[in-house]
Amino acid sequence: NAGVTQTPKFRILKIGQSMTLQCTQDMNHNYMYWYRQDPGMGLKLIYYSVGAGITDKGEVPNGYNVSRSTTEDFPLRLELAAPSQTSVYFCASSYGTGGSGYTFGSGTRLTVV
Amino acid sequence: TQLLEQSPQFLSIQEGENLTVYCNSSSVFSSLQWYRQEPGEGPVLLVTVVTGGEVKKLKRLTFQFGDARKDSSLHITAAQPGDTGLYLCAGPVFSGGYNKLIFGAGTRLAVHP
Repeated sequence: NAGVTQTPKFRILKIGQSMTLQCTQDMNHNYMYWYRQDPGMGLKLIYYSVGAGITDKGEVPNGYNVSRSTTEDFPLRLELAAPSQTSVYFCASSYGTGGSGYTFGSGTRLTVV
Repeated sequence: TQLLEQSPQFLSIQEGENLTVYCNSSSVFSSLQWYRQEPGEGPVLLVTVVTGGEVKKLKRLTFQFGDARKDSSLHITAAQPGDTGLYLCAGPVFSGGYNKLIFGAGTRLAVHP
């Protein structure tokens, strides 16, 4: 089982460039999430989706956008990269909300220079 | 704002030692989850505790949920190098009509042979 697949694994962007972080899951989960992980700060929720066509902001959404056109895919878009967006990004999915365990992808390490 | 505080932040021990790490909050949670994250990978769910006072065992790992459901602990008996990793606790927070997980900053454990 593939679970949650994220691409790319690593990326270096210049300030002002744009990119899309890809996330796909094959577990037919309705709920999907994007988190960023900074050293010593834990995981912070950027955006989440409760089903195809439905997305909402999390704790730290500024500078990011998402879309959910299918159950499987939940891409994260950075429009104008800034050094503050240097982080490790994790996509996750779950069968239910809250009390259900999340399945995470292996992450994308992004550096903005 | 609900927060999860984990302690200690870092722990370096020898193989065979016992250890306990803690996850504390001033808020009541309906459940708490523990994840382990290895370098270059996403967090992997270890256990969910739901009932106040609940104790769950996973081989050499013992998880306890506080009676008041504000804290949890993870005890590892006879630690092995394979236990090395970042241990994260997480709990559901209700906002925007849905529960989403918030995460503590984690305890980074290093077990030396």
